Amino acid sequence: GEDVEQSLFLSVREGDSSVINCTYTDSSSTYLYWYKQEPGAGLQLLTYIFSNMDMKQDQRLTVLLNKKDKHLSLRIADTQTGDSAIYFCAESRSQGNLIFGKGTKLSVKP
Amino acid sequence: KAGVTQTPRYLIKTRGQQVTLSCSPISGHRSVSWYQQTPGQGLQFLFEYFSETQRNKGNFPGRFSGRQFSNSRSEMNVSTLELGDSALYLCASSDYRVYEQYFGPGTRLTVT
Repeated sequence: GEDVEQSLFLSVREGDSSVINCTYTDSSSTYLYWYKQEPGAGLQLLTYIFSNMDMKQDQRLTVLLNKKDKHLSLRIADTQTGDSAIYFCAESRSQGNLIFGKGTKLSVKP
Repeated sequence: KAGVTQTPRYLIKTRGQQVTLSCSPISGHRSVSWYQQTPGQGLQFLFEYFSETQRNKGNFPGRFSGRQFSNSRSEMNVSTLELGDSALYLCASSDYRVYEQYFGPGTRLTVT
């Protein structure tokens, strides 16, 4: 199908790791992204990975890409209450066109 | 560098009216993309401009149009507004590395 799929909700305890999963559709997508959206705000680019990579680490964030299964994941280590937000997975299609999932709402409990 | 700015932040219009939204990209960025965000449909791509030319267009009716000026600022216009056009409209800018898109805070449009 055409959709990028994500689970809608994830709840974790402060200090635990969070793992948000995503499946995408277009094997020709060059880049895959993770964006964060806080209430009333726009989208913040967290990280992205080129399709020929398997993993990318950036401080507390680790992105894993399984191109065979078209599966992307975002791991947030030592999750804090400030990480509570909606996280969007996106794949690049044509120029300037990102296809987004519906977003995963991450709730972090103290 | 200043981020992407969008004006106005909030707008209330009635059905049948038209509206123009503005986006100023990050300095030096020449690509501007527009997205519509609604609870039901999520984030959907509207169009992308680069150097005043529309390079790509999403699956929206002709009531949605845009343009880009020589200073890379962009506007989008929606004519004959419908209730279903109520949404958060986001623009994103990028430099020659089109794969890094940076979003503005959005314009919240309410159609009554």
